[in-house]
Amino acid sequence: DQQVKQNSPSLSVQEGRISILNCDYTNSMFDYFLWYKKYPAEGPTFLISISSIKDKNEDGRFTVFLNKSAKHLSLHIVPSQPGDSAVYFCAASARDDYKLSFGAGTTVTVRA
Amino acid sequence: DSGVTQTPKHLITATGQRVTLRCSPRSGDLSVYWYQQSLDQGLQFLIQYYNGEERAKGNILERFSAQQFPDLHSELNLSSLELGDSALYFCASSVGSNWETYGYTFGSGTRLTVV
Repeated sequence: DQQVKQNSPSLSVQEGRISILNCDYTNSMFDYFLWYKKYPAEGPTFLISISSIKDKNEDGRFTVFLNKSAKHLSLHIVPSQPGDSAVYFCAASARDDYKLSFGAGTTVTVRA
Repeated sequence: DSGVTQTPKHLITATGQRVTLRCSPRSGDLSVYWYQQSLDQGLQFLIQYYNGEERAKGNILERFSAQQFPDLHSELNLSSLELGDSALYFCASSVGSNWETYGYTFGSGTRLTVV
C-alpha cells in the first residue's frame, strides 16, 4: 500500500527556470515530511523537510509547501541548475514512527 | 562519502541461493535501517535495529533476516532468492532510535541481481 505517491516519474526543465515536484500522501497521521535527492550510484541525501505545523519551509533555492487539507506537498527549485539533475524522493513519517515512507521518485533533468 | 558503508556494491547470484549484505553505520549512529528499492518503486522499509536490538519490522519476507552486531554493523541475509528479489538494497543509519529531524544518512546501496 503506497502511502506516499509521486505521480510524475520525470520532469524536464530548462536551466534557470522553476522546477516543481509534487507529492501526495494518504496517511493522515503523517506529520513530518522530507525530500531526498539521489544521484546515480549514490544513496539518497537529505534535502529539506517540513513539519505539519508549518505550510512552507525555505532553504536557499529550495522551498517546500505543505497543504494538509489536500494531503499534498510540493518542492520548488528556483532557479534550476544542471547539478539539480537527479531523482527526488518525497518521504513522510508519523509521530513516534520508526520509519520513513517513500514515494517512487521523480527524475529531474535540467537542460542547458 | 556519507559515512555509511555498504558492501558489496554489486552482487549477481542465481535463484535459490543465499547472500549476505553488509552495512557499517556512520560513526556514533546506533540505529540501522534496511530499505529495498525495486524497479520504478520507492524505497520500501524492511527492518530497523537499534543498538543491537530489533526495533521495527516492515514488509520483510520470511526468507530475509537481519541482525546488528556489538560493533553496530548490520547484515541483511537473503535466502532462497527469487528473480523478484533483484533490487537496490539501501542501509541507513541515525543517531537515535528514531529518525532525526534531518532524516537518515544513507549508504550508496547494494545492487542485487538474481539470474
